[in-house]
Amino acid sequence: NAGVMQNPRHLVRRRGQEARLRCSPMKGHSHVYWYRQLPEEGLKFMVYLQKENIIDESGMPKERFSAEFPKEGPSILRIQQVVRGDSAAYFCASSTQGSETQYFGPGTRLLVL
Amino acid sequence: QQQVKQSPQSLIVQKGGISIINCAYENTAFDYFPWYQQFPGKGPALLIAIRPDVSEKKEGRFTISFNKSAKQFSLHIMDSQPGDSATYFCAASTLAGANSKLTFGKGITLSVRP
Repeated sequence: NAGVMQNPRHLVRRRGQEARLRCSPMKGHSHVYWYRQLPEEGLKFMVYLQKENIIDESGMPKERFSAEFPKEGPSILRIQQVVRGDSAAYFCASSTQGSETQYFGPGTRLLVL
Repeated sequence: QQQVKQSPQSLIVQKGGISIINCAYENTAFDYFPWYQQFPGKGPALLIAIRPDVSEKKEGRFTISFNKSAKQFSLHIMDSQPGDSATYFCAASTLAGANSKLTFGKGITLSVRP
């Protein structure tokens, strides 16, 4: 049973470009969470999605960031017009309905030049 | 405002010793408290978790102690091994953790010397 998969593992973008981060949850998991980890910081919640629905986006910056979890395919975190401050590790986690345990992927390290 | 605070910031322990990491929270609505372990270049992995209806939970060498009145909980690693060297995060959530966002502390780096 494969764990949570994220790709790419490393992503380099220049300021102003778009970044797309993908997350495939564990098999049977219908809940996905995105977190951001800045250097020397803990993980900060960004958004929580179920299939085709955003449940909680209270941690998502108001501009340039968006997330989706379509009926088919992986969850996507999209960052438009990236800035240097977006450089961080982005982790997704997944869980089943009613479960408190979140399983994390290996993360995508985004570097904005 | 940081809702979950960890201490110390870093910890060095000799092999075989006891590692103790503390965590304090502010939001009394939190009712699920997990500890995550993260190795460099990897995602966090759940180590052990507790709910406020118990004061202690033990799994192997890992024990969580919980003090509801003080709004504190701690992780004890008995017989610490070099393989335990990692970053440890405490976290908290509401709704008994079920499908609820996690609020993390900043993490502490544990080094276990051989």
